Amino acid sequence: QQQVKQSPQSLIVQKGGISIINCAYENTAFDYFPWYQQFPGKGPALLIAIRPDVSEKKEGRFTISFNKSAKQFSLHIMDSQPGDSATYFCAAKKGFQKLVFGTGTRLLVSP
Amino acid sequence: GAGVSQSPSNKVTEKGKDVELRCDPISGHTALYWYRQSLGQGLEFLIYFQGNSAPDKSGLPSDRFSAERTGGSVSTLTIQRTQQEDSAVYLCASSLVPGEQYFGPGTRLTVT
Repeated sequence: QQQVKQSPQSLIVQKGGISIINCAYENTAFDYFPWYQQFPGKGPALLIAIRPDVSEKKEGRFTISFNKSAKQFSLHIMDSQPGDSATYFCAAKKGFQKLVFGTGTRLLVSP
Repeated sequence: GAGVSQSPSNKVTEKGKDVELRCDPISGHTALYWYRQSLGQGLEFLIYFQGNSAPDKSGLPSDRFSAERTGGSVSTLTIQRTQQEDSAVYLCASSLVPGEQYFGPGTRLTVT
C-alpha cells in the first residue's frame, strides 16, 4: 500500500529526445507527488511536483502527467540535454506523513 | 539563505567504533528526516522528526542506530559499533511544508 513503483531502472536517451520515467502507486490517499533529481555526489533536489486535482504540470522542459484513475504519474523531459543526466526519484505522500520514494531511474543523455 | 548542511562530509571509521553524524536543517523548518543511500541505490528512510511529536523511528535498521534532535533544530544520527554494511551516504532533509523536502549534501561513511 505504501510502495511507489518506478520504472525503468535506467534509461539512455539521445540529446534532443524525450525522456519518460513512470511511477505507480496503490494508496489512493496520497495527495502530493514530487520528483527529485540527484547528481552524483549531491543530495536529491526537488524538481517538480503535482497534486491529484490536476492532470498535468509543466515547468520549462519538465512535465508531470498524472492519471488518477490508473494511479500512475510520469515525468517527461523534453529536448533532453546531457546536463539532465542524473538519477530521478518519484515520491508520494499523504497529509503530514513522510514521503515514500521510488527506487530511482538513472538517466543518461548521450551527446 | 543557507540550505541544509551536514558534517562531516566524509567519515572513515574502523569496524566496531561509534560515529556521530550531524545535520543542520534550514532555519524554521519543523520537519527533519534521515535517509541512507548505498552506492547507486535508492533512498532508505531511517527516521523522521516533526515538531514536538514523537519521532517516527520505523526505518532504523537496528538498535545500533539512534538519532536525536535538540531544540527542534540540529539533529545527530549515532551509529554504535559500526559494521561494514553501514557504509553508505547518510542524507538529511528538512521541510516546512510537508513533502517539500530539501536535502543536504550527505555524509559519506566508510567502515573499514
